Amino acid sequence: GQNIDQPTEMTATEGAIVQINCTYQTSGFNGLFWYQQHAGEAPTFLSYNVLDGLEEKGRFSSFLSRSKGYSYLLLKELQMKDSASYLCAVTDSNYQLIWGAGTKLIIKP
Amino acid sequence: IAGITQAPTSQILAAGRRMTLRCTQDMRHNAMYWYRQDLGLGLRLIHYSNTAGTTGKGEVPDGYSVSRANTDDFPLTLASAVPSQTSVYFCASSEKSQTDTQYFGPGTRLTVL
Repeated sequence: GQNIDQPTEMTATEGAIVQINCTYQTSGFNGLFWYQQHAGEAPTFLSYNVLDGLEEKGRFSSFLSRSKGYSYLLLKELQMKDSASYLCAVTDSNYQLIWGAGTKLIIKP
Repeated sequence: IAGITQAPTSQILAAGRRMTLRCTQDMRHNAMYWYRQDLGLGLRLIHYSNTAGTTGKGEVPDGYSVSRANTDDFPLTLASAVPSQTSVYFCASSEKSQTDTQYFGPGTRLTVL
């Protein structure tokens, strides 16, 4: 079966760095997305990786290793507004998007 | 209109009633999607449409139907609602396919009693 694993919940301190991991087992691979979802709101796009390596976008970076079926989202200089759920999603060989259950990130002052 | 709109914002529905959730986008995207989101389960795809006039079944299609008469609109119908369909429903669109970034509507919170 197809599966995406993410930690259910993480806690970090304002100003710190946090890494949210995502591992996947899918039938093929055609790209990996990270979305942010604040409580009671819709998901919004953060990043996309299709090749191995690190993609940096301001305070947020996303890393992909296709051989390991692994990605992480790195958030630097954490702010209270970063408290949200972070969703990992993978497009498989049939171009179907498989979603993880999401990681709830709690930021403490 | 800018992006994707959904209506209603929330709804309480008696079991057995018929309900249509509306979704409209103004980005001229070819692909549209309906998801349900339940606590601890993440987003699950109900139905999708790759282009106007075509639809396909997602992971959890039973009890739901969709139509795509034009590019902009993608309504989701519950023919006879059941309590297990209580959920938050999100409509989304992308330029061409599921390999493209998806843009989500604000969601509809549906409670079936």
